Amino acid sequence: GESVGLHLPTLSVQEGDNSIINCAYSNSASDYFIWYKQESGKGPQFIIDIRSNMDKRQGQRVTVLLNKTVKHLSLQIAATQPGDSAVYLCAERPNFNKFYFGSGTKLNVKP
Amino acid sequence: GAGVSQSPSNKVTEKGKDVELRCDPISGHTALYWYRQSLGQGLEFLIYFQGNSAPDKSGLPSDRFSAERTGGSVSTLTIQRTQQEDSAVYLCASSLGGTGNTIYFGEGSWLTVV
Repeated sequence: GESVGLHLPTLSVQEGDNSIINCAYSNSASDYFIWYKQESGKGPQFIIDIRSNMDKRQGQRVTVLLNKTVKHLSLQIAATQPGDSAVYLCAERPNFNKFYFGSGTKLNVKP
Repeated sequence: GAGVSQSPSNKVTEKGKDVELRCDPISGHTALYWYRQSLGQGLEFLIYFQGNSAPDKSGLPSDRFSAERTGGSVSTLTIQRTQQEDSAVYLCASSLGGTGNTIYFGEGSWLTVV
């Protein structure tokens, strides 16, 4: 199957700092990418997406960067808050039927 | 509805029994997905429905797993003769379909096979 992997399985940051979560994807044909936040016991919640014709997209306190040359995706969270503590999942879509997900990065925000 | 609705939220069943998991997608969404998430693992694709097209069943792990979608809306995932390795969270998602459309997830059905 496809492989979407994460460089750092666990990331601890201080409240107020910026967080960067990284993701490597495997399929150069992927044209659409999504970041999800998954809190314990809940389903994944959409954060932000980006298409392959873009290299950066900003949302509220979040920015997604896409580097197609090295097949790398990152999620930047500004001024990280305790409520940001969760597992973050990246997903790639190599065809319109399926999204492939990594195992996730756990973000711990220390007060 | 406002979001993807799944039931039951939790299910404990004995090994060998059959289970049915239900998904009610967001109103108007033509695409529906089932994923499975085992403890500490990523999401594993199971099946995809799009409108009236034949479903993509390529992710179903064995013939004990099946899914149907009636009337282009509600979907049921059935696991026959459950095994302990079937214990996982089963997540349903829906989208408007087509390219570039975000998929939105329900809260999942937590299945434990004892």
